[in-house]
Amino acid sequence: ETGVTQTPRHLVMGMTNKKSLKCEQHLGHNAMYWYKQSAKKPLELMFVYSLEERVENNSVPSRFSPECPNSSHLFLHLHTLQPEDSALYLCASSQVWGGSYGYTFGSGTRLTVV
Amino acid sequence: GESVGLHLPTLSVQEGDNSIINCAYSNSASDYFIWYKQESGKGPQFIIDIRSNMDKRQGQRVTVLLNKTVKHLSLQIAATQPGDSAVYFCAELERTALIFGKGTTLSVSS
Repeated sequence: ETGVTQTPRHLVMGMTNKKSLKCEQHLGHNAMYWYKQSAKKPLELMFVYSLEERVENNSVPSRFSPECPNSSHLFLHLHTLQPEDSALYLCASSQVWGGSYGYTFGSGTRLTVV
Repeated sequence: GESVGLHLPTLSVQEGDNSIINCAYSNSASDYFIWYKQESGKGPQFIIDIRSNMDKRQGQRVTVLLNKTVKHLSLQIAATQPGDSAVYFCAELERTALIFGKGTTLSVSS
């Protein structure tokens, strides 16, 4: 375990479903991130939270809705997704936002949209 | 936009050989770089980092080299082992977030 825990590990959902991905970190970090990893593409930054405030939203469609209730938890709410949204969704955390520190990643949620 | 990229999508080596994985970056203002390793079914795992005021940094069996003149980053793995088989990503800190390259898949045969 890296200290960043993601649940569920696998998720299959229909295009009309609503589901949520959860991320929890026990590292005392102040910044948390959502990345999307699709086959044969680089990791794509989706959202950045620093001290529970959203500081970046990289042109992500509104069918993805993040939530950060406290510095240890990050959610990604999903609704009316498309098959092309199928990917590995990775959560990461770092000590501070924008600092020269490595990110600690969770193991990801493998999402399949049918 | 500017991005980080890798030269080769795959690299195959024999156990015991040294491996070199390359990465070219385009943002000359970047001052922090990281190498990550991702094994199947897991998230990326930090290997080693380097700041732009250095040109070399060594870890356990790994060395990162930074050539700012040609904007090139490399990861050297000494005495490669089967457990090193994974996808390797370089990443640069661009303003306030890490931007990743596509990755090189390293396959180690016994």
